[in-house]
Amino acid sequence: QQKVQQSPESLIVPEGGMASLNCTFSDRNSQYFWWYRQHPGEGPKALMSIFSNGDKKEGRFTAHLNKASLHVSLHIKDSQPSDSALYFCAVSGPSGGNYKPTFGKGTSLVVHP
Amino acid sequence: NAGVIQTPRHKVTGKGQEATLWCEPISGHSAVFWYRQTIVQGLEFLTYFRNQAPIDDSGMPKERFSAQMPNQSHSTLKIQSTQPQDSAVYLCASSLDVLNQDTQYFGPGTRLLVL
Repeated sequence: QQKVQQSPESLIVPEGGMASLNCTFSDRNSQYFWWYRQHPGEGPKALMSIFSNGDKKEGRFTAHLNKASLHVSLHIKDSQPSDSALYFCAVSGPSGGNYKPTFGKGTSLVVHP
Repeated sequence: NAGVIQTPRHKVTGKGQEATLWCEPISGHSAVFWYRQTIVQGLEFLTYFRNQAPIDDSGMPKERFSAQMPNQSHSTLKIQSTQPQDSAVYLCASSLDVLNQDTQYFGPGTRLLVL
């Protein structure tokens, strides 16, 4: 059974700083990876996806995937107070044709002005 | 596009009562998922439907939870004989299909409190 673990549980960064969030997974057959962000009182919203090893950049956000190391990360450059939220990593992959992403427990990010 | 709609946003029930939660997926999306979110357990998968057919309910507590999707525009999650440990935010999500690269779009959730 897929296990997804996120670290750190919580993170505080100053405005303008870099936030780095980590996610490890257990199933070597995993193929698809997402980062979601959830603000209080809202449902999670997809931030970005990454499916190939290496880096993927979208604006201030960069995701990095290393399938061999069972690791995916998210880096937020020039962090803003509006980036304060709960960040989830979600992982899915072939499992007998049944699609069911597994979510980590999240990293709580606080960006202080 | 209003996104995924969930009603009610908040529900308070007494122990032993029934709770029915509603979800309207994004029009055109063929897959609907239900999750439960708590501080301790995080986001737990409950069940999902594809083209209204139940595909995987492996996360559902078998005895008191049930989910249905009677038509393509809504799904319900019913909890019978609610218990305090059922208190959580219940999230519904939809996606275009269940191909692994399809992003899930979440509703705002229903916060259930069982007294």
